[in-house]
Amino acid sequence: AAGVIQSPRHLIKEKRETATLKCYPIPRHDTVYWYQQGPGQDPQFLISFYEKMQSDKGSIPDRFSAQQFSDYHSELNMSSLELGDSALYFCASSLRDRVDEQFFGPGTRLTVL
Amino acid sequence: AQKVTQVQTEISVVEKEDVTLDCVYETRDTTYYLFWYKQPPSGELVFLIRRNSFDEQNEISGRYSWNFQKSTSSFNFTITASQVVDSAVYFCALRINTGTASKLTFGTGTRLQVTL
Repeated sequence: AAGVIQSPRHLIKEKRETATLKCYPIPRHDTVYWYQQGPGQDPQFLISFYEKMQSDKGSIPDRFSAQQFSDYHSELNMSSLELGDSALYFCASSLRDRVDEQFFGPGTRLTVL
Repeated sequence: AQKVTQVQTEISVVEKEDVTLDCVYETRDTTYYLFWYKQPPSGELVFLIRRNSFDEQNEISGRYSWNFQKSTSSFNFTITASQVVDSAVYFCALRINTGTASKLTFGTGTRLQVTL
């Protein structure tokens, strides 16, 4: 069965650069979530989208923005990168009316040097 | 607000021992879902189990078992006859049913080290 796809899987950037992470949900899933997991930390919710509209917002820095497109894929844009942004970024998807299920992608490991 | 507490930050056992990972949650909602995920060194989050707040039946899946007790707001996870491949970080998570896209709130994780 198709799973959540994230690209790239690994990304290395310099401070103050920008990065774009992409997430392709499971087919027919209309809801996308982004989580950030710092080294040794638990995943922290950043933001979610349903039908291209932001549905919930967590501790996402103002330097980050995200959107969901008409094909339901989502992109997380990160600007003015800081060393502390180095983390594993997970995307998850679900059907809106299946709040009990959330499928995670393999994650994008971002390293900021 | 929701909160998940995993007081055990790290557990080390010898192969074939049984081990229980504790999870305590807080929520004011009456409808919610509890999860356990495994995160091996490769980094992906592997779904293990989902439980809704109305189903207190314990569950067993092979060497894994889960004990859900609403009276103590706990959802503990036991691995029987542990194996080296069980070495990972295990996260307990909570999700409330808001009817819309709702986030998962994770505990801080328990790192399990199984040695020979």
